[in-house]
Amino acid sequence: KQEVTQIPAALSVPEGENLVLNCSFTDSAIYNLQWFRQDPGKGLTSLLLIQSSQREQTSGRLNASLDKSSGRSTLYIAASQPGDSATYLCAVSDTSGTYKYIFGTGTRLKVLA
Amino acid sequence: DGGITQSPKYLFRKEGQNVTLSCEQNLNHDAMYWYRQDPGQGLRLIYYSQIVNDFQKGDIAEGYSVSREKKESFPLTVTSAQKNPTAFYLCASIRQGSSYNEQFFGPGTRLTVL
Repeated sequence: KQEVTQIPAALSVPEGENLVLNCSFTDSAIYNLQWFRQDPGKGLTSLLLIQSSQREQTSGRLNASLDKSSGRSTLYIAASQPGDSATYLCAVSDTSGTYKYIFGTGTRLKVLA
Repeated sequence: DGGITQSPKYLFRKEGQNVTLSCEQNLNHDAMYWYRQDPGQGLRLIYYSQIVNDFQKGDIAEGYSVSREKKESFPLTVTSAQKNPTAFYLCASIRQGSSYNEQFFGPGTRLTVL
């Protein structure tokens, strides 16, 4: 059964720092991996989606990489800002054709001004 | 603007009551999903539907029911059989057949049992 783990569970950094969030999964047979942002009490906002055949995706200050064989993904945030404070979740979908996603428990990020 | 709407934003349930959470999307997506989120936990799948008039149980379907009579709508009923329903409920959709299968989410409904 697929399990998704995110480490660390919480992270506090000063503004301007570059940071890396980690996501690991136990079954490498994934269709794709998606990173989300969640603000308190809100729904999830899609940040980046990486297909299983891709190695990385970039959007602005965000860069996500995927190493399927080792079951790992990282989300790199450059020049962090207080507005980046949120919970970041990763999720993987399997290859069964049901498009179901399995979610990690998230990393709660706080960027200090 | 295309998107997913959920209503109500907050819902209060008395013991023994059934309540229904609404999820509507105008993205023309085929597949729709209901998740439950508890503090400190990831999202857990309750039910999903890939086509009208068909739906499948997820990992925690006990005490919940759904219907999919229209492509745009996927309501979730929390029945009195669900013993611990207080949680944040999120609805999502995916356009099947795309090469990306990107998942989009609604704003959520917070359900509290009184």
